[in-house]
Amino acid sequence: EIVMTQSPATLSVSAGERATLSCRASQSVDSDLAWYQQKPGQAPRLLIYGASTRAAGFPARFTGSGSGTEFTLTINSLQSEDFAVYYCHQYSNWPQTFGQGTKVEIK
Amino acid sequence: EVQLLESGGGLVQPGGSLRLSCGASGFTFSRTAMTWVRQAPGKGLDWVSTISSTGGTTYYADSVKGRFTISRDNSKNTLYLQMNSLRVEDTAVYYCAKGQGSLDAFDVWGQGTVVTISS
Repeated sequence: EIVMTQSPATLSVSAGERATLSCRASQSVDSDLAWYQQKPGQAPRLLIYGASTRAAGFPARFTGSGSGTEFTLTINSLQSEDFAVYYCHQYSNWPQTFGQGTKVEIK
Repeated sequence: EVQLLESGGGLVQPGGSLRLSCGASGFTFSRTAMTWVRQAPGKGLDWVSTISSTGGTTYYADSVKGRFTISRDNSKNTLYLQMNSLRVEDTAVYYCAKGQGSLDAFDVWGQGTVVTISS
């Protein structure tokens, strides 16, 4: 099983600042990596797929990068609506696995 | 509009059974692999099971293998999860989700249905 490790667990950021979230895979997943945003009481929402392709409805301040085992989600100029939990997900191998999540909170 | 709507959750005693359903609309269900993902209270996301578009191939997490059965009725645009021998640790919100293929990102999620296993 591929283990996905996200860091940090919690990120305290002020509105308008940049947030950088990391996701590391225990073995290569090529670019078969997605990011999801989840707000309290809501279902997750696809944010990034193919490691770097932004899903419909998300603005350009969200950027995904990386391949192989190291991935980054960058959120530029954080807005109030961006405070949420973000999960990475590898869909390269069975079983599919998720990271434990990074909570982006208001500083 | 693409929609997934889960139902069937509830409170069940350990060792009991439950069947979840997920109704789909707004896309060609019969051509789409479908997945169940769960989230225990206050915890992260946990992949449970995936079924191919035809239903001919299924995949399970080790934690549910032999206890849960995923199935689908393409004539009814509905996905199912039969859960037997339920354990306290199966308590979670269960989401159905769709991707383009069996191994793919999940581009649409349902709102979830709550399953509570407790005596």
